[in-house]
Amino acid sequence: EAGVAQSPRYKIIEKRQSVAFWCNPISGHATLYWYQQILGQGPKLLIQFQNNGVVDDSQLPKDRFSAERLKGVDSTLKIQPAKLEDSAVYLCASSRETAEAFFGQGTRLTVV
Amino acid sequence: GENVEQHPSTLSVQEGDSAVIKCTYSDSASNYFPWYKQELGKGPQLIIDIRSNVGEKKDQRIAVTLNKTAKHFSLHITETQPEDSAVYFCAATTGRRALTFGSGTRLQVQP
Repeated sequence: EAGVAQSPRYKIIEKRQSVAFWCNPISGHATLYWYQQILGQGPKLLIQFQNNGVVDDSQLPKDRFSAERLKGVDSTLKIQPAKLEDSAVYLCASSRETAEAFFGQGTRLTVV
Repeated sequence: GENVEQHPSTLSVQEGDSAVIKCTYSDSASNYFPWYKQELGKGPQLIIDIRSNVGEKKDQRIAVTLNKTAKHFSLHITETQPEDSAVYFCAATTGRRALTFGSGTRLQVQP
């Protein structure tokens, strides 16, 4: 069974630029999550989708972050404009109904 | 919302010794408690989990215990090996919500 796929693996941008990350979850997983992991910390939820609907986006900085999940499969996370403090690893995860979440390798974003 | 605290932040053991990592949670409604291992440059990998209707679960050299009354759970690794060196995260959820993670424990196994 293929795992969660994310791209790109690495991205370096200047502050105030925009960036987008892509995620393809495990086939059949209805729930998709985007987490932000700052160096030395645990992952922190940004947004949770159930199929193509948003379940929880309470911790998403909506003035600069946006996410969508079209057709209940792939998802993109966008940051516009980026700030220095957005430097982190962005992790995508997916799960069935049982709460077991499986993570992709993440995208390491550096904002300079 | 849920709050998960994890201790210690770093742990160094000799190869063959045991390692124990402890977590506490705040939401009494939480009923699912997974543990993840994260190696450098990789995403977290699920290594073991426990649900609130079980007090202990074991899988070869790793085991997890849960005390619902005290709202804490622990990861035990026996006969540690150098390849166990990584960052370990505990997490908690009610099952409907996303996982809330602890701050992580960096385990170093000295050969």
